[in-house]
Amino acid sequence: QVYLQESGPGVVKPSETLSLTCAVSGGSIRKFYWSWIRQSPGKGLEWIGYMYYTGTTNYNPSLNSRATISADSSTNQFSLELSSVTAADTAVYYCARESLRYNGSPFDYWGQGILVTVSS
Amino acid sequence: QSVLTQPPSVSAAPRQKVTISCSGSRSNIMNNYVSWYQQLPGTAPKLLIYENNKRPSGIPDRFSGSKSGTSATLGITGLQTGDEADYYCGTWDSSLDAVVFGGGTRLTVL
Repeated sequence: QVYLQESGPGVVKPSETLSLTCAVSGGSIRKFYWSWIRQSPGKGLEWIGYMYYTGTTNYNPSLNSRATISADSSTNQFSLELSSVTAADTAVYYCARESLRYNGSPFDYWGQGILVTVSS
Repeated sequence: QSVLTQPPSVSAAPRQKVTISCSGSRSNIMNNYVSWYQQLPGTAPKLLIYENNKRPSGIPDRFSGSKSGTSATLGITGLQTGDEADYYCGTWDSSLDAVVFGGGTRLTVL
């Protein structure tokens, strides 16, 4: 069984960088594709981007190049950095896995989510 | 606002059947696989259906998926109170070069 666990600060100040980590257990991040997805309070899901451990990444254009996803194979973790945050970035952030990468590939494992609030 | 359009809410009685629609376009649903997710209150989304109509191991056959043209549908039969949740469709959008989701549908089992 694969488990994903998000961690990071619960509050970030406006204009600063949000940094989160997803720890993966029960499997190596050297396979599969790993994504970050967020959900604003009371709203729907928004895909942020994915990465493969080789460094391949793809991001949602709506984020205007503010997101960076990277992996640390030695710790079996991957991370998200989102720069220049505003109140609109307040959301529950989920990390998730795609077992294969093709157009419409599903997210088969999800973390429990972490609430990040942007506030001064 | 979402790229994929879902009804905000649906409801039905226990043991009845309900369908949830997901409407998109040629650049997303028509030419890519669709997945469905169930989000119980206060929990993370859970994969229900993938590749339009396939169920992961452990998902009961009360849940089904279909796709036709630019629309997809999730069907749930034998409704139970435990099915009360938000349901989301998702796919790839080849024009946006991004994963897209519907706005979600809240199912109420009356």
